[in-house]
Amino acid sequence: AQSVAQPEDQVNVAEGNPLTVKCTYSVSGNPYLFWYVQYPNRGLQFLLKYITGDNLVKGSYGFEAEFNKSQTSFHLKKPSALVSDSALYFCAVRDQAGTALIFGKGTTLSVSS
Amino acid sequence: GAVVSQHPSWVICKSGTSVKIECRSLDFQATTMFWYRQFPKQSLMLMATSNEGSKATYEQGVEKDKFLINHASLTLSTLTVTSAHPEDSSFYICSAREEGKNNQPQHFGDGTRLSIL
Repeated sequence: AQSVAQPEDQVNVAEGNPLTVKCTYSVSGNPYLFWYVQYPNRGLQFLLKYITGDNLVKGSYGFEAEFNKSQTSFHLKKPSALVSDSALYFCAVRDQAGTALIFGKGTTLSVSS
Repeated sequence: GAVVSQHPSWVICKSGTSVKIECRSLDFQATTMFWYRQFPKQSLMLMATSNEGSKATYEQGVEKDKFLINHASLTLSTLTVTSAHPEDSSFYICSAREEGKNNQPQHFGDGTRLSIL
């Protein structure tokens, strides 16, 4: 069975500092990995994905994520956080069979000015 | 880009009422759509996979008679919460993926906040 773990309920960073939101996964076969962001009372917005190729993927709003197969991780990063980045972030995984995304529990990112 | 429209965005109704939520893919065809439920400050729980022209596939623990799903066309799936009760109050989100593009992200609607009094 597929699963995703986001070990941190909340991440606090100061504006301008780098941020990391952690994610580890479990899936049979090669994973399709995704990061989404959710603002209050809204659906999810796609940030980036890893399917194959370079382990470092770049996405929307300056976010990037690094796929590490040996550690089964897909941590989300940004070199310089903005207050407007404050939101709920979800890591998700799917196997290549095309089943539905399975989500982690989410991590609340709070960026202070 | 691809857009998924979900309607209504907010519903407040009395216990025992049935509520229908629509999910439309606006600029692409979606053979498969997904329905999720989200409790406050929790993750998205997959409820069911909606397949155009066939029966939905429900996740374990989800009552198919309570949550009726119809996927009558390649751009529309509906979720009907039948005889809703306060415990059905939640945030429901639909999602769709473009047909034939399994390596592409799922696109999400903006969700429906359902409050049962």
